[in-house]
Amino acid sequence: SQTIHQWPATLVQPVGSPLSLECTVEGTSNPNLYWYRQAAGRGLQLLFYSVGIGQISSEVPQNLSASRPQDRQFILSSKKLLLSDSGFYLCACLVAGGAGELFFGEGSRLTVL
Amino acid sequence: GQSLEQPSEVTAVEGAIVQINCTYQTSGFYGLSWYQQHDGGAPTFLSYNALDGLEETGRFSSFLSRSDSYGYLLLQELQMKDSASYFCAVGDGANNLFFGTGTRLTVIP
Repeated sequence: SQTIHQWPATLVQPVGSPLSLECTVEGTSNPNLYWYRQAAGRGLQLLFYSVGIGQISSEVPQNLSASRPQDRQFILSSKKLLLSDSGFYLCACLVAGGAGELFFGEGSRLTVL
Repeated sequence: GQSLEQPSEVTAVEGAIVQINCTYQTSGFYGLSWYQQHDGGAPTFLSYNALDGLEETGRFSSFLSRSDSYGYLLLQELQMKDSASYFCAVGDGANNLFFGTGTRLTVIP
């Protein structure tokens, strides 16, 4: 079974500062990977997905970018954070053989001040 | 695009049965999934329906009607630990899942 490590778990950043959130996956190879954002008390918004190394697709125009430098590594970045970037960021992978099933990491809670 | 609607809040008594509905509009449909999320935690997968009908997994069941673009999650024998947010999600056929806004279930004694 797969395991997802996300870090940092919590961070507080000033407006205009850069951001890097990392996600690594164990227990599976060549996974489909996803970044979701969840605003307080809201649903999950799909930000990026990747089907392989260097392959990134974006669902919404935004202040963020994603990269996949290795098969099981997915990074979310920003050059200059906005207040609206605050939220709970979740990395997920598609479970092999599990139709419609995503496995989520424990998330990174970002507060932009 | 995709649009999913769920009730924002539901309250039910311990031991009772509760149904959480989900209606969706999607340009491509590839199954309806349900996830549970406790406060501060990550969502966890509960069930998946690709075809019409009822899928049962222990105390939880999920139903899908593709002609009505409608599904529901049924929770039986409610326990206090079932208090959480529940999300429906649709797949678009490209392995992407789009989530509803979630239903916060509160189970009371």
